[in-house]
Amino acid sequence: DSGVTQTPKHLITATGQRVTLRCSPRSGDLSVYWYQQSLDQGLQFLIQYYNGEERAKGNILERFSAQQFPDLHSELNLSSLELGDSALYFCASSVDGRGTDTQYFGPGTRLTVL
Amino acid sequence: AQTVTQSQPEMSVQEAETVTLSCTYDTSESDYYLFWYKQPPSRQMILVIRQEAYKQQNATENRFSVNFQKAAKSFSLKISDSQLGDAAMYFCAPSGAGSYQLTFGKGTKLSVIP
Repeated sequence: DSGVTQTPKHLITATGQRVTLRCSPRSGDLSVYWYQQSLDQGLQFLIQYYNGEERAKGNILERFSAQQFPDLHSELNLSSLELGDSALYFCASSVDGRGTDTQYFGPGTRLTVL
Repeated sequence: AQTVTQSQPEMSVQEAETVTLSCTYDTSESDYYLFWYKQPPSRQMILVIRQEAYKQQNATENRFSVNFQKAAKSFSLKISDSQLGDAAMYFCAPSGAGSYQLTFGKGTKLSVIP
């Protein structure tokens, strides 16, 4: 158990819908990262937050957004869902968000868009 | 920007034997770390080992060790006394001080034969 929690574990929804994925980092970690794992794209970095502020952006679609709250939990919002958004979404956390920090991953949320 | 190549999509090893998984990378960073993560069938991403690029000594964690060749930009993972629980996808990932995300290779699927 990494100490990072993600809810829900599974999510099934329809095209065009909007969903919210939630992540709680390890105790003491200030930085949260979101990754997407799909069969065709592999593991891709989406976005990083550090202590409530966006720090880095990767291959995140405009239909996707995220935020980190004062209690340091984070939410990833996915809207206007398409079939291709079906994937495993991971949250990871690290102590201070430096590039050389070790990132610890949550169990992931499996999103299925029908 | 960082790139990662894991040239062995699949490998197999007999239980109790030793196996080496290859990884080459390219980075413009002068200060970076290298990580190996495993992803068993449960899909959880688990940190296996990490190597600081400025350290010449190869990292070791129990049965797992790395062979880090900085000039060749090679970072292979050796698993000794392989166990059934080692069966998983293994991902190599560099992370630099100037980039906040992990860049993952496509992974190597390791099977352990009883």
